[in-house]
Amino acid sequence: GAGVSQTPSNKVTEKGKYVELRCDPISGHTALYWYRQSLGQGPEFLIYFQGTGAADDSGLPNDRFFAVRPEGSVSTLKIQRTERGDSAVYLCASSLNPALTDTQYFGPGTRLTVL
Amino acid sequence: QKEVEQDPGPLSVPEGAIVSLNCTYSNSAFQYFMWYRQYSRKGPELLMYTYSSGNKEDGRFTAQVDKSSKYISLFIRDSQPSDSATYLCAMSQGAQKLVFGQGTRLTINP
Repeated sequence: GAGVSQTPSNKVTEKGKYVELRCDPISGHTALYWYRQSLGQGPEFLIYFQGTGAADDSGLPNDRFFAVRPEGSVSTLKIQRTERGDSAVYLCASSLNPALTDTQYFGPGTRLTVL
Repeated sequence: QKEVEQDPGPLSVPEGAIVSLNCTYSNSAFQYFMWYRQYSRKGPELLMYTYSSGNKEDGRFTAQVDKSSKYISLFIRDSQPSDSATYLCAMSQGAQKLVFGQGTRLTINP
């Protein structure tokens, strides 16, 4: 079956602009996660959704970052007033249920470049 | 100091060699330990998952956890060129948030 998909695969924007990154989880997966991976680093947790609600948003770096999952499926990560330091690969993952032992399946990521 | 430390390498070995990758961590609350493999421009994929101290084997891969030393390892036997990738350790303390190491870039030379 289809895995986690993310669009766009690449996004180039200018400093100060607003961007939206989309994640389509595996069908039926109730949990959805966003991570950010800077060059040469491991992924860093941003936010976790269980259904429509954000169960843990402790990784969002500041109030320029916001994520939604209005119908419990597709999620959008929104970044306002982008800065050059926001350049990274944004990874989305989903899992079947929130049990800790459940595997998180990652998408290919969106590569964001802020000029 | 980061919660999870991992040598970024790069590590280059000949085909057929045994590869040893490892991570140390500082948070004793971590209970679950994972190894992910990430090919270039792809998302991470889960290789191994362990809960308790000890060894877990899956084909050519063996994961080892030593909670007393806060040290985890991944061994790859009979390494193949297709094993060339970045290997990420990840840990969790009971919530869904995974904490990753920096990743070790591994190249297996034919």
